Amino acid sequence: NAGVTQTPKFRILKIGQSMTLQCTQDMNHNYMYWYRQDPGMGLKLIYYSVGAGITDKGEVPNGYNVSRSTTEDFPLRLELAAPSQTSVYFCASGVTDLMNTEAFFGQGTRLTVV
Amino acid sequence: EDQVTQSPEALRLQEGESSSLNCSYTVSGLRGLFWYRQDPGKGPEFLFTLYSAGEEKEKERLKATLTKKESFLHITAPKPEDSATYLCAVQARAGGTSYGKLTFGQGTILTVHP
Repeated sequence: NAGVTQTPKFRILKIGQSMTLQCTQDMNHNYMYWYRQDPGMGLKLIYYSVGAGITDKGEVPNGYNVSRSTTEDFPLRLELAAPSQTSVYFCASGVTDLMNTEAFFGQGTRLTVV
Repeated sequence: EDQVTQSPEALRLQEGESSSLNCSYTVSGLRGLFWYRQDPGKGPEFLFTLYSAGEEKEKERLKATLTKKESFLHITAPKPEDSATYLCAVQARAGGTSYGKLTFGQGTILTVHP
């Protein structure tokens, strides 16, 4: 049971380049999330999804796009990379059961935009 | 808007020196308060969920408590392996599209010296 898997682990992008951060989970969770974490800061929600075909914006969605075509996958797209997007990105998934709403996190993708 | 503030930002303890971390929150109807542990270079790892004021949960040397305005994470006789960043998060009750979102505090960096 792999849990939440993120790829790549590290990436350096040039300003204006595009890339997709991949996230997949094998726990059949409805909810999936993308967060970014800057040094000394808590996690900020970028986008989330409550199920396949349904996505919604979080606190800091500008510059990002997502899609959710399957339960398992929730990729995050950066179209025109900017230095402000240098951060560590975490994908998470969770269940909707009323008694158990914890989220499980991936290991993170460290992105540097130069 | 949901808000979470953690204090102190950093805490240095000697092995065996008990202490507490604080998480103050404002949320439009609390559905759950979560504590996570995060080791350097890793994703957050779930510790506890608390649902109502007066609730307490324990795990080894950690005990989490909840009031209507704040939560405490008590660490009894800590060991060096308890060194990590501890994150608090809140989830609002279901309503519109806010269901399932976790709002995180900035974290408390705990260092336990032998």
